[in-house]
Amino acid sequence: GAVVSQHPSRVICKSGTSVKIECRSLDFQATTMFWYRQFPKKSLMLMATSNEGSKATYEQGVEKDKFLINHASLTLSTLTVTSAHPEDSSFYICSARDRAGGWETQYFGPGTRLLVL
Amino acid sequence: AQSVTQLGSHVSVSEGALVLLRCNYSSSVPPYLFWYVQYPNQGLQLLLKYTSAATLVKGINGFEAEFKKSETSFHLTKPSAHMSDAAEYFCAVSRGGNTGKLIFGQGTTLQVKP
Repeated sequence: GAVVSQHPSRVICKSGTSVKIECRSLDFQATTMFWYRQFPKKSLMLMATSNEGSKATYEQGVEKDKFLINHASLTLSTLTVTSAHPEDSSFYICSARDRAGGWETQYFGPGTRLLVL
Repeated sequence: AQSVTQLGSHVSVSEGALVLLRCNYSSSVPPYLFWYVQYPNQGLQLLLKYTSAATLVKGINGFEAEFKKSETSFHLTKPSAHMSDAAEYFCAVSRGGNTGKLIFGQGTTLQVKP
């Protein structure tokens, strides 16, 4: 089956530093990847849509300068949390849409837990 | 606009009992509906999806869901709960068009007691 990986799985950083999270589709090409944020006991909130070779589109209320997204290839998208603060601590999940599948087919990564001290 | 409401943030059943997780949706266009399961510290796994074909959808691990337009519901069921079914379950609706964007419900934690 289709596999999406995320790296790192867990990261702790100091306030003010930047953190990069990678999302990779391991066995399929993904023209579109999505980035979600999940708070404890809460639903997933879509942050942005990442399209290969173009700028990401951000959801309302998400700071694009805070959460930098790059989708450099058909198998890799990165989310960089810049100048992280404790309120950025969360579980970040990516999903990838299979280029060969239907538009409704997407696969989720295992998530990255970010803790900002 | 699309939205999803999951009734009951926490459901507890005994092993072998019926599982019923409720999901109601609101959509201005014919909806595509999904159920996902999330195990602790893991990403989401698709259980099943409704894409305007058969209203009764069968998924993995013995789960199924029925799309009822008149009730705007898409409840998830499983005849007999297993301990391994304990997890977080999310209902989601597509935002519309073919963007792939999903709107998730708040999630329901399923507890299975021995």
